[in-house]
Amino acid sequence: DAKTTQPNSMESNEEEPVHLPCNHSTISGTDYIHWYRQLPSQGPEYVIHGLTSNVNNRMASLAIAEDRKSSTLILHRATLRDAAVYYCILRDSRPGKLIFGQGTTLQVKP
Amino acid sequence: DTEVTQTPKHLVMGMTNKKSLKCEQHMGHRAMYWYKQKAKKPPELMFVYSYEKLSINESVPSRFSPECPNSSLLNLHLHALQPEDSALYLCASSQGPAVGSYNEQFFGPGTRLTVL
Repeated sequence: DAKTTQPNSMESNEEEPVHLPCNHSTISGTDYIHWYRQLPSQGPEYVIHGLTSNVNNRMASLAIAEDRKSSTLILHRATLRDAAVYYCILRDSRPGKLIFGQGTTLQVKP
Repeated sequence: DTEVTQTPKHLVMGMTNKKSLKCEQHMGHRAMYWYKQKAKKPPELMFVYSYEKLSINESVPSRFSPECPNSSLLNLHLHALQPEDSALYLCASSQGPAVGSYNEQFFGPGTRLTVL
């Protein structure tokens, strides 16, 4: 199973951009890169996903390296509500299996 | 309705008890999942049901028994659990886990289980 590596924790100031990195050097050609986040006392929630091209949605942007061995989740303006554990996940070749990495705990300071 | 509900929110049980966790979704999703999450650790997949059939069992001990009575409902029956089984049990659903396509998983808030 392809694995991801993320920093354990990061800090950001409110209303500033945040770049959350993820390494996935063993990614296969058909693995999608997903990001989920888990707010305190809640289940994980989907943030964004991509395969090869950079992706944008209302929550965040995903920048994928050309060799696909790393990616970066970008929150354009962090708010206090964005404080959470962010998981970078590669989708296993078997249908439906998400392999969660250890995640990055993001703290947002006012 | 884009919600996955789980009951109960908290459960305390003894090692000889039998209990069940329940998960429900009304989004028309055809895949449902059980995850286990220990404190400060990522969720770990336990079971996947696709079209009401068990498609993935991640070598989970038989004291955990999943059941999918219909496409909206997923149960996890618990029997003779150990204290180390204490964890947050998360349910999720997705439109379908078909190969080659992506299906966002919607998670419930979880059931906090304590085994004494």
